[in-house]
Amino acid sequence: DAGVIQSPRHEVTEMGQEVTLRCKPISGHNSLFWYRQTMMRGLELLIYFNNNVPIDDSGMPEDRFSAKMPNASFSTLKIQPSEPRDSAVYFCASIINTGELFFGEGSRLTVL
Amino acid sequence: GQQLNQSPQSMFIQEGEDVSMNCTSSSIFNTWLWYKQDPGEGPVLLIALYKAGELTSNGRLTAQFGITRKDSFLNISASIPSDVGIYFCAGQPRYSNYQLIWGAGTKLIIKP
Repeated sequence: DAGVIQSPRHEVTEMGQEVTLRCKPISGHNSLFWYRQTMMRGLELLIYFNNNVPIDDSGMPEDRFSAKMPNASFSTLKIQPSEPRDSAVYFCASIINTGELFFGEGSRLTVL
Repeated sequence: GQQLNQSPQSMFIQEGEDVSMNCTSSSIFNTWLWYKQDPGEGPVLLIALYKAGELTSNGRLTAQFGITRKDSFLNISASIPSDVGIYFCAGQPRYSNYQLIWGAGTKLIIKP
């Protein structure tokens, strides 16, 4: 069974540009999470979806960040406009109600 | 907010040595999870613990859910080079069925 699939694996962009990160959760998992990981702050939960509905977006840094889950097999995290401080590894993870998160390999974002 | 203290921050060990790391919290958790993260990858679940006092093994790894529900440890016996990486504990608080509180990680390095 395929794991959580994220794209792109690496993204380098200039400040002010729009960034879109994509995630395909594990089939049958009904909850999806977006996390951000930095050396300074570790793993931070950005947003949590349950059955495609955003339940908790309190971790989204500011209005420049938005996330959607149009169906059970796809989610996007968008940053517009991007800033250098957004540079981090962004992880998508999914679960099937057990609390045991399965992570994707991450998208490493560098904003110059 | 709720915090997890994970220690040690890093460990330098010889191949073949046993390793022990732990996490403590000021509050009670319902679930303790231990993850390992390799460079350039997402965290991978090693062991999940659901009951106070529970002791669970996964190969050379053993983890326990503390009786007070405020702590957990992970032991690795007879370490091998592929054990190198960062180990994270994560706890699920009583007030949430999806949030995880993450430790800062223990970086395991094997001395040549």
